[in-house]
Amino acid sequence: NAGVTQTPKFQVLKTGQSMTLQCAQDMNHEYMSWYRQDPGMGLRLIHYSVGAGITDQGEVPNGYNVSRSTTEDFPLRLLSAAPSQTSVYFCASSRGQGDGYTFGSGTRLTVV
Amino acid sequence: AQSVAQPEDQVNVAEGNPLTVKCTYSVSGNPYLFWYVQYPNRGLQFLLKYITGDNLVKGSYGFEAEFNKSQTSFHLKKPSALVSDSALYFCAADSGNTGKLIFGQGTTLQVKP
Repeated sequence: NAGVTQTPKFQVLKTGQSMTLQCAQDMNHEYMSWYRQDPGMGLRLIHYSVGAGITDQGEVPNGYNVSRSTTEDFPLRLLSAAPSQTSVYFCASSRGQGDGYTFGSGTRLTVV
Repeated sequence: AQSVAQPEDQVNVAEGNPLTVKCTYSVSGNPYLFWYVQYPNRGLQFLLKYITGDNLVKGSYGFEAEFNKSQTSFHLKKPSALVSDSALYFCAADSGNTGKLIFGQGTTLQVKP
């Protein structure tokens, strides 16, 4: 099993550009989430999903969109990149409530 | 607002000594609690969790955690630290048992030979 796969690993964007961070898992997990990690702030939840076709906002959803058309994939879209979105982004998946999340290796995004 | 706090930015211990990384939570109900570890330039790895039952839970790599409901704490412990335990540790709570994790700020553990 590959686990949780995130692409790309690194990305530099110009302010105003849009892009999609890809996330795929092969464990048939129902729950998937996107977090951003910033120094001294831990991980903050952007969006999450409890199953295909179901998504909800987390703590910091502004500027990001998600969709969950399949169980395996949960892409994160940046609509119009801003320097404040410079961060490391992690995708994670879980079998469900009470189960530990499996994290991807992250995408380091820089917006200039 | 619901939150998880890790009061120490960094914990320094000598190899072979016991270690404790502290975590307190302010989350309604009976949350699920987790510890994760992050090595440099890597994703987070699951260490252990508390759902219900015994207040002392055992996890990966010899780590354990003690749940204390009255103090709303979930401290991570290890009887004998290794240099290879040096990493960034995160405590997290599942608010309302929904699968949404609230993370603490993280604590850097430095184990010196």
